[in-house]
Amino acid sequence: AQSVTQLDSQVPVFEEAPVELRCNYSSSVSVYLFWYVQYPNQGLQLLLKYLSGSTLVKGINGFEAEFNKSQTSFHLRKPSVHISDTAEYFCAVSDWGTSYGKLTFGQGTILTVHP
Amino acid sequence: DAGVIQSPRHEVTEMGQEVTLRCKPISGHNSLFWYRQTMMRGLELLIYFNNNVPIDDSGMPEDRFSAKMPNASFSTLKIQPSEPRDSAVYFCASRGGPLRTEAFFGQGTRLTVV
Repeated sequence: AQSVTQLDSQVPVFEEAPVELRCNYSSSVSVYLFWYVQYPNQGLQLLLKYLSGSTLVKGINGFEAEFNKSQTSFHLRKPSVHISDTAEYFCAVSDWGTSYGKLTFGQGTILTVHP
Repeated sequence: DAGVIQSPRHEVTEMGQEVTLRCKPISGHNSLFWYRQTMMRGLELLIYFNNNVPIDDSGMPEDRFSAKMPNASFSTLKIQPSEPRDSAVYFCASRGGPLRTEAFFGQGTRLTVV
């Protein structure tokens, strides 16, 4: 079984400040890791993904995340946020095996960017 | 590609009525997932299909919920009879392609049962 823990339910930050959204996962097998973003009244959109290889992955809108196997973490970062980054962010995991790509999600982190 | 298409976007119904939510996955994708999102429980996987066959429906909350995928381009999630606690946003997602990694989500159906 897999699980995902997002350590912060809400993160307020000022515009142009850096931000880190934290995610830890638990799995007995190798996994793929994802960050999705959800804007109000919309579906989930993929920000970035880690499959294998380089542990630093870059995504859309200037976001990046670092996979740390020893700490089972996949934290999301952005060096300078914009008002338009205000949204809810979800970390997710799927295994490499026979689950057909089933995604297990964390509880979400609401990022609010203040002017 | 139009992406995953869900209908209706909003549904308001009275308790006890039957509700049917619809999903058209991305062409060529062979896995389809139904999720439910609520404030209290977050995103929950209800059921998923691979090549139109239900693989795991352990997330379906009760026998009032049922899902079908009669062909590769269409799936339904039915609630009968509906109850106020079923009010939520229901998402459909599909996955496929050569790497079969991320899932693509529809815009969701916001269901309100009064």
